[in-house]
Amino acid sequence: GESVGLHLPTLSVQEGDNSIINCAYSNSASDYFIWYKQESGKGPQFIIDIRSNMDKRQGQRVTVLLNKTVKHLSLQIAATQPGDSAVYFCAVYTGGFKTIFGAGTRLFVKA
Amino acid sequence: DAGVIQSPRHEVTEMGQEVTLRCKPISGHDYLFWYRQTMMRGLELLIYFNNNVPIDDSGMPEDRFSAKMPNASFSTLKIQPSEPRDSAVYFCASSAPSGTLKGTDTQYFGPGTRLTVL
Repeated sequence: GESVGLHLPTLSVQEGDNSIINCAYSNSASDYFIWYKQESGKGPQFIIDIRSNMDKRQGQRVTVLLNKTVKHLSLQIAATQPGDSAVYFCAVYTGGFKTIFGAGTRLFVKA
Repeated sequence: DAGVIQSPRHEVTEMGQEVTLRCKPISGHDYLFWYRQTMMRGLELLIYFNNNVPIDDSGMPEDRFSAKMPNASFSTLKIQPSEPRDSAVYFCASSAPSGTLKGTDTQYFGPGTRLTVL
């Protein structure tokens, strides 16, 4: 089955710096990937997604990179702000509307 | 739109009691998901419905757990009898099939119900 892991459980960055959160997945057939942000006391919130026919996708201050060769994706947050402090999950869509979530990386933004 | 609505937001009960969690999905969404989140196991999919029909309940941990969706705007997750190890945050999420809304399978999560079983 699919498993999703993260390289770091926590990440601390200075306000204004760029943040990079990494994620690895196991199933080479996976074709859809999503990043979610979860703030304290709230449910996960969609940030950005990417399909396997792409290797990069940009949103507002966020970029997702997908490397299918090594089964790795990353979320880059530009000019990190205090409001970016949260837990970030990568999720892998496994078909049939089922999504496997990674363990999460907690991002701390230092003022 | 009000988003996915869950109730109650917090539930404290004693071991052995029945617990019912409620969810109202976003109007027009055909898929509804129930997740459980714990520190140890992260976010786990319990069951999901399509057009009110349960499609995959392989994530339901035990027979003590049951879920229903009597209509397109309401679903329940019931635990009977509850045990301390059921303590977790339970999320409901809904989505529309690919090709509508944003053309993705994005799941929209509710605020969750924090369940504590003493």
